[in-house]
Amino acid sequence: QLVQSGVQVKKPGESLKISCEASGYRFTNYWIGWVRQMPGKGLEWIGIIYPGDSDTRYSPPFQGQVTLSVDKSISTAYLQCSSLKASDTAMYYCARQAYDTSRDAFDIWGQGTMLIVSS
Amino acid sequence: DIQMTQSPSSLSASVGDRVTITCRASQSIGSFLNWYQQKAGKAPKLLIYGASNLKGGVPSRFSGSGSGTDFTLTISSLQPEDFATYYCQQSSSTPHTFGQGTNLEIK
Repeated sequence: QLVQSGVQVKKPGESLKISCEASGYRFTNYWIGWVRQMPGKGLEWIGIIYPGDSDTRYSPPFQGQVTLSVDKSISTAYLQCSSLKASDTAMYYCARQAYDTSRDAFDIWGQGTMLIVSS
Repeated sequence: DIQMTQSPSSLSASVGDRVTITCRASQSIGSFLNWYQQKAGKAPKLLIYGASNLKGGVPSRFSGSGSGTDFTLTISSLQPEDFATYYCQQSSSTPHTFGQGTNLEIK
């Protein structure tokens, strides 16, 4: 399973780091992806990271705006944002991407982390 | 980037109805097409991967078909718990883009 950190309330200009702790499988063998869902809107693919070697791929709108990282020692992935804006207010999900069992679909999802950016 | 277009954006149906949602890719993605179900306030849940493979534990009333650019998700007989939003996603090339979603409502 994937367990994410809790609700985050930040002010504009602040930074954020959301965590996603994996358990029940070999963390370094599967990509971890991040998905944004703004209030009342659809799913947006942010990017993926391979914990084995920290290889990352970003969607162009998020390139340079977020940083994905992992700590293999504690099977945890992170999404980091700086210079937050009110428009960053959204639910952020992490998810496991599995090629062997689901052809690179996101087969396990975290519960989501709600980020609220408000002055 | 590959654009994914779902239709319809919203759909009203009754329990027992057969429902079909379509997803079109802006270029060929082979069979790298996935379907997710999201209920209000919950994380998405994988239903179908590789265009037509049902994830374990998903009821057999759900089915997927298609290849290349055109895909469909069919629910053979709607149940009350199926009313939700459905998303397609391509996993052929990064970024693995999602469709805009189809909101399935009770008629």
